[in-house]
Amino acid sequence: DAGVTQSPTHLIKTRGQHVTLRCSPISGHKSVSWYQQVLGQGPQFIFQYYEKEERGRGNFPDRFSARQFPNYSSELNVNALLLGDSALYLCASSLPLGQVDYEQYFGPGTRLTVT
Amino acid sequence: DQQVKQNSPSLSVQEGRISILNCDYTNSMFDYFLWYKKYPAEGPTFLISISSIKDKNEDGRFTVFLNKSAKHLSLHIVPSQPGDSAVYFCAANGLTSGTYKYIFGTGTRLKVLA
Repeated sequence: DAGVTQSPTHLIKTRGQHVTLRCSPISGHKSVSWYQQVLGQGPQFIFQYYEKEERGRGNFPDRFSARQFPNYSSELNVNALLLGDSALYLCASSLPLGQVDYEQYFGPGTRLTVT
Repeated sequence: DQQVKQNSPSLSVQEGRISILNCDYTNSMFDYFLWYKKYPAEGPTFLISISSIKDKNEDGRFTVFLNKSAKHLSLHIVPSQPGDSAVYFCAANGLTSGTYKYIFGTGTRLKVLA
């Protein structure tokens, strides 16, 4: 069974540019979450989508946006990139029961470098 | 405001001995706790979880203990193996600022010495 897949694996962008990261969840999983992980820190929650609706949002500026498609895949968009956006972006999928998520399964991440 | 804290950034243990990784939290609304293991260049891998209504969950060499009164959980690995060397993240799930989401700790790097 395929796990969570993310593309691209690595990306280098310049300040001010826009970036789109993609995620495909595990088959059957309807919830996708996005996290940002900077060096030395744990993953920081950005967004969660369930059944194409935003279910949660972390403390990130409006430059960050996301969406989920009918096939449950998801995109994370970041506008007006800053040097501080350089991080590993992780996608996780899960099969939530009611309001509560249980185990989330992570993809390998996309390493974004902003120069 | 770090709601989930892992105060030990690193831990070294001899092969065959017990590894104990600790995690503290501040939000009493958390109702589910998980441990993840992360190797370099990979996403975190789910290890073991525990509901807030339990105080212990065991899966093979891994046991998680939850002390709700102390808002503390720990992961015990016994016996430790060199392949267990990785960064371990504690995570808590529950209602935070009106949204159900995971909050992760900063991680503990475990090194198991052969």
